[in-house]
Amino acid sequence: GAGVSQSPSNKVTEKGKDVELRCDPISGHTALYWYRQSLGQGLEFLIYFQGNSAPDKSGLPSDRFSAERTGGSVSTLTIQRTQQEDSAVYLCASMSFGGDTQYFGPGTRLTVL
Amino acid sequence: SQKIEQNSEALNIQEGKTATLTCNYTNYSPAYLQWYRQDPGRGPVFLLLIRENEKEKRKERLKVTFDTTLKQSLFHITASQPADSATYLCALDNRNTGNQFYFGTGTSLTVIP
Repeated sequence: GAGVSQSPSNKVTEKGKDVELRCDPISGHTALYWYRQSLGQGLEFLIYFQGNSAPDKSGLPSDRFSAERTGGSVSTLTIQRTQQEDSAVYLCASMSFGGDTQYFGPGTRLTVL
Repeated sequence: SQKIEQNSEALNIQEGKTATLTCNYTNYSPAYLQWYRQDPGRGPVFLLLIRENEKEKRKERLKVTFDTTLKQSLFHITASQPADSATYLCALDNRNTGNQFYFGTGTSLTVIP
């Protein structure tokens, strides 16, 4: 079946603009994660959704970052008033309920000029 | 502080040899540890999972060991091939925090024909 998809694949924006990144998880997967990967860095956890439970937002770096997951499926990561340090690859992963393996999307490369 | 360290950022080996990658962690208490492969421009792909009560796990040419006393995992690729060239990431859960996975910065492996 289809894997995790993300859009857009690349996004170039100007400093101060808002951006929205989209993640379509594998159908039926209840858990969804967002990570950020900067050049030469490991994956930095941002936020975690599990079913209808309140999301774990402990990794969001500032209040400019927010995420939603509608209907327990598609998720949108929003970055407001983007800064140059927000430039990175944003990765989404989904996982089945009770599972321990994450399936990653291809990522969105965000460049803030 | 919590750390996950992977040996040398880059590892070059000759085709046919065994590649050994290390993952050391500090101040985590994982129930299990995972290894992922990441190719340029793509999201990580799950390879193997090893639980705290397992010493060794194998899958085809891959072997993972997990020493909770040393707080270390070793990842071996035997009979390496140029197609094995990629970045390899270790990741662990941390039972004390529940939902999150923590990733190392990765080791870039190049297998030279």
